Amino acid sequence: QLQLQESGPGLVKPSETLSLNCTVSGGSISSSSHYWGWIRQPPGKGLEWIGSSHYSGSTYYNPSLKSRVTISVDTSKNRFSLKLSSVTAADTAVYHCARKTVGATTPFDHWGQGTLVTVSS
Amino acid sequence: QSVLTQPPSASGTPGQRVTISCSGSSSNIGSNTVNWYQQLPGTAPKLLIYSNNQRPSGVPDRFSGSKSGTSASLAISGLQSEEEADYYCAAWDDSLHGWVFGGGTKLTVL
Repeated sequence: QLQLQESGPGLVKPSETLSLNCTVSGGSISSSSHYWGWIRQPPGKGLEWIGSSHYSGSTYYNPSLKSRVTISVDTSKNRFSLKLSSVTAADTAVYHCARKTVGATTPFDHWGQGTLVTVSS
Repeated sequence: QSVLTQPPSASGTPGQRVTISCSGSSSNIGSNTVNWYQQLPGTAPKLLIYSNNQRPSGVPDRFSGSKSGTSASLAISGLQSEEEADYYCAAWDDSLHGWVFGGGTKLTVL
């Protein structure tokens, strides 16, 4: 059964770079049929898509975050990562990783539990 | 402010039928399919409905989805207490070139 698990620092200082990993088990991140994405949820608020990446290198980002975001796939470790630079308190959120099937409108069908990242000095 | 608009709350009694609406525009719901997610307290979102009205394996047929124009709805019949959760709609937005979500609806089972 496919499982996704987020990991990374729970506390990041303002202006620094937030870095998270998502380890995939029960499936291959090198699947040509799937994209891997990040979605975040500020405390008490709704969901916001950050971006998605394919193992081939195809990547697309939320235009509002694009200048600060990098998502990359590491096939040797069967995981993908998120880097968000120049963070502020507004980036405090639970960050979920998720999988979707290739296709413009196919949904995110498997999600990780999420990890809380707090931006504070 | 979310791109898709949902009522912040909804409620029903056990056994009742409840509906949750999701309003968008021509660039998202009007031209693409809608997905619904259920998020139980302290857990990850779970795909409930995809492609407007399709249920993933394991989702009871008490859950149904529909779409008309630039709006969509999620209906839950025979409401159960364990379905007290947050529900989110989502769609691809052709203008924003990204996924957009509703702000979520907190469903309370009275």
